[in-house]
Amino acid sequence: DAMVIQNPRYQVTQFGKPVTLSCSQTLNHNVMYWYQQKSSQAPKLLFHYYDKDFNNEADTPDNFQSRRPNTSFCFLDIRSPGLGDAAMYLCATSSPLARLSNEQFFGPGTRLTVL
Amino acid sequence: SQQGEEDPQALSIQEGENATMNCSYKTSINNLQWYRQNSGRGLVHLILIRSNEREKHSGRLRVTLDTSKKSSSLLITASRAADTASYFCATSLMDSSYKLIFGSGTRLLVRP
Repeated sequence: DAMVIQNPRYQVTQFGKPVTLSCSQTLNHNVMYWYQQKSSQAPKLLFHYYDKDFNNEADTPDNFQSRRPNTSFCFLDIRSPGLGDAAMYLCATSSPLARLSNEQFFGPGTRLTVL
Repeated sequence: SQQGEEDPQALSIQEGENATMNCSYKTSINNLQWYRQNSGRGLVHLILIRSNEREKHSGRLRVTLDTSKKSSSLLITASRAADTASYFCATSLMDSSYKLIFGSGTRLLVRP
C-alpha cells in the first residue's frame, strides 16, 4: 500500500547532540511537510518542500534544518536539541495539482525525547 | 496567532450518542478539512469541505461550513468506542492553497 513512513518511531537523544529524523513516501507526492506537535497541541508547520523548493515558516528556529535528496525522502535535522524540542514530529505529503485537493497524508510520527 | 480554535477542548459521551465538535477560524479560506488522530499516531484525513459548500456527508460524519460566521462543525452520529481520538480542523488559506493551519483540537472519549 502507498504510504508515508517515518523512522525511527521513537528517538532518544542527549541535550545538544544532533539528531536526524527521516521520512519516506511511496505516494509520489510532490509536496512534503514537517510538523512539530507537542502534547495536547495542534501540529505546527516547521517547513515544507514543494518539489525541490524549500519553504521555511517564519517562526521556525534555525536549529531545525531539512533536506530532500529526492522525491521519496525528506529529512529533519535538529542541530542542537534542547529540552523544549521534545515532541512528536510528523511528516506529511500532498499532491495538490494531481489530486485537485490539498488533503495531506501523514506518517505515524517520530516521538523525540531529549535527555 | 492560531487560525483555528476548536471547542470543546474535550468531550466525553456514551457509545451510541452523537458527538459535535466546532471549529472557528479568522481569515478567508479555500477549504476546511477535518482530521482524526489516535493517541501517539499520525493524523488521518476525514473529510474536506470547500468554501462554496455548506454541508457534506461521509458515512457517519456530517460537516457544515458557515463562511459568514467563519465556523464549521463536525458531527459524528451513533458514536463507537473506536471513535475515541483527537479531532482537528485544518484550514486552507486563499493565498496558500496547499498549506494547512490546524486548530487546537477536540479530544473525544466515547465510553463503551
